[in-house]
Amino acid sequence: AQSVTQLGSHVSVSEGALVLLRCNYSSSVPPYLFWYVQYPNQGLQLLLKYTTGATLVKGINGFEAEFKKSETSFHLTKPSAHMSDAAEYFCAVSDPSNYQLIWGAGTKLIIKP
Amino acid sequence: SQTIHQWPATLVQPVGSPLSLECTVEGTSNPNLYWYRQAAGRGLQLLFYSVGIGQISSEVPQNLSASRPQDRQFILSSKKLLLSDSGFYLCAWSVRGLAGGGETQYFGPGTRLLVL
Repeated sequence: AQSVTQLGSHVSVSEGALVLLRCNYSSSVPPYLFWYVQYPNQGLQLLLKYTTGATLVKGINGFEAEFKKSETSFHLTKPSAHMSDAAEYFCAVSDPSNYQLIWGAGTKLIIKP
Repeated sequence: SQTIHQWPATLVQPVGSPLSLECTVEGTSNPNLYWYRQAAGRGLQLLFYSVGIGQISSEVPQNLSASRPQDRQFILSSKKLLLSDSGFYLCAWSVRGLAGGGETQYFGPGTRLLVL
C-alpha cells in the first residue's frame, strides 16, 4: 500500500534562507507525486507534480522538487525563502488502484524575519 | 477555465442540528469529486469520493453522508451534528481518467464548521 511520510510537522527558516521540506513515499508501482500548499483558511493549491520524465520538477512560486527513486524521496526546495511562503505544505502520492491521493501529514513552514 | 465553489464559507451550528454543505464545479464534465475534512492540528482526511452521479464511496464511517444529484454538484450532509464534526471541509475535483493516472485534484476554498 502507498504511504507518505513528511519529516517535521514544523520547519522554521529565516527569510532568504534555503527551504527544504522532506517527503518520503512508499509505492509498489512507479509513483505520481504531488506537492500542495495551503495558506491559512484557504483550500489547497497545487505547487508541482511528478508523473514521468525529468526527475527535477519546477513549480510555482520558485519551488522545485526532485524525484529520487533510489531514496523514495520527493523533497521540496526553494533557494530563498520569502515571508509569503509561510503556509502548510502537503506531499501526496497517487494510489494506482483508485482515484485517490495518499496524503502526508503536512509541514508548517515558518519564516523568521 | 474550471472553477470550484463551496458554500457557506463559515458555519456555526449547535450540536444535534442538521448540516448541508454544497460544492459545485464549473467548466468541466464528468469530474471525480471528493470531500475532505481537516480537524484542528490534523492532516487531510478523505470522507467521500464520487466517480459519477449517484455513485458515492465512503472512506470513514461517521454520521455524515454525501450525495451527487447532478454531474457537477456534490453535497455533504448530516442529520445530527456532533462536536467532533467541527473542522475545515474541503471539496475537490479531478479529471476522470484512468485509475491512478496521476490526475491532479483541484480544491475549493473550504467551509469552516464550528459545532457548539
